Amino acid sequence: GAVVSQHPSRVICKSGTSVKIECRSLDFQATTMFWYRQFPKKSLMLMATSNEGSKATYEQGVEKDKFLINHASLTLSTLTVTSAHPEDSSFYICSARGGGGSADTQYFGPGTRLTVL
Amino acid sequence: QKEVEQNSGPLSVPEGAIASLNCTYSDRGSQSFFWYRQYSGKSPELIMSIYSNGDKEDGRFTAQLNKASQYVSLLIRDSQPSDSATYLCAVIQGAQKLVFGQGTRLTINP
Repeated sequence: GAVVSQHPSRVICKSGTSVKIECRSLDFQATTMFWYRQFPKKSLMLMATSNEGSKATYEQGVEKDKFLINHASLTLSTLTVTSAHPEDSSFYICSARGGGGSADTQYFGPGTRLTVL
Repeated sequence: QKEVEQNSGPLSVPEGAIASLNCTYSDRGSQSFFWYRQYSGKSPELIMSIYSNGDKEDGRFTAQLNKASQYVSLLIRDSQPSDSATYLCAVIQGAQKLVFGQGTRLTINP
């Protein structure tokens, strides 16, 4: 139980294009999903917290107009990187909460590696 | 002071020995603590959670929590080469925010 999927696993795009990443909880309903990014040899950095049916809460320094988050259902959240630039290249990881462990346990998706040329 | 601190390592342990990973946190009000394992190029995988002072054992893994000292640790017994990974300590702060340490890179030497 508590499986979280992400799609795509890897994406390469040209500078200026937009990229959408999907995060799904496969066997549980996730009231809250989280989006992180991770640079090489660094720890995870929380970008935003997404609650189903409401606007995402962004961490300080994260541009909400650049990183659009939609949490339309209890099993799906999407992150859209708009007008991507090379500095947006990173490993993006989502997590979901509500999967059978304690109420605050987060289960992570496999991640999406974004490369912007 | 960082909110969650770990020794970045690398920590090298011979196969079969006990690996000891340590973590301190700054928010005295924190109640929930987690250890994640992350292999290179992969996302974090939950190993253990701990909420009460003392030890919690799960197979070869033991988590230890001391809230008075704001200290949480992870022991790995009978270390295997497959345990080689980065271990992330994480603490819930506020209502739901999970704050990670920088991770400790562990290498088990055959």
